[in-house]
Amino acid sequence: TQLLEQSPQFLSIQEGENLTVYCNSSSVFSSLQWYRQEPGEGPVLLVTVVTGGEVKKLKRLTFQFGDARKDSSLHITAAQPGDTGLYLCAGAPYYGKLTFGQGTILTVHP
Amino acid sequence: GAVVSQHPSWVICKSGTSVKIECRSLDFQATTMFWYRQFPKQSLMLMATSNEGSKATYEQGVEKDKFLINHASLTLSTLTVTSAHPEDSSFYICSARASGRATGELFFGEGSRLTVL
Repeated sequence: TQLLEQSPQFLSIQEGENLTVYCNSSSVFSSLQWYRQEPGEGPVLLVTVVTGGEVKKLKRLTFQFGDARKDSSLHITAAQPGDTGLYLCAGAPYYGKLTFGQGTILTVHP
Repeated sequence: GAVVSQHPSWVICKSGTSVKIECRSLDFQATTMFWYRQFPKQSLMLMATSNEGSKATYEQGVEKDKFLINHASLTLSTLTVTSAHPEDSSFYICSARASGRATGELFFGEGSRLTVL
């Protein structure tokens, strides 16, 4: 079973601060996805990274896939209250099911 | 993007009754759908993989007689919680992977909040 360690589990910051969420594994993934979930709703796909070393930007969010395709990070610049939610990373192995990280609950205070 | 619709979004039932939750892919065909359970402030816990036209594959520890899954068409999978008890109260989420999509992205339903009294 592939494991994906996501950290930190909880993050409480002030508006305007920067933050980084990490997902690490000893396994190689063909791709890795990041999702964001708001309370009472299903997760929504933010981005998919496929190539080792790839960096993708989505406004104030920057996603990076490790060179070895075993880890990924999500960096948010100048966080806003609207960024509050549960962030999930999910690794897609070459064969088998998607593996989810434990999730990071982000709270951005105004 | 692909749309997955889940119904009902919330349901309250008495202990001992059965509840059916539907998951539909609205604008794409999904040969595989997944059912998750989520507890407050936690990640998704995969319950089972629903395959169109065949039996679902259940994760270890998930009672297949308790959580009945049917995937009768390429756009519909159902999860029936049989003889529900208060400990079955949870947020249930389905997801679907569009056929032919190599990168594995999932599209999630809105979730169904089950409360068993």
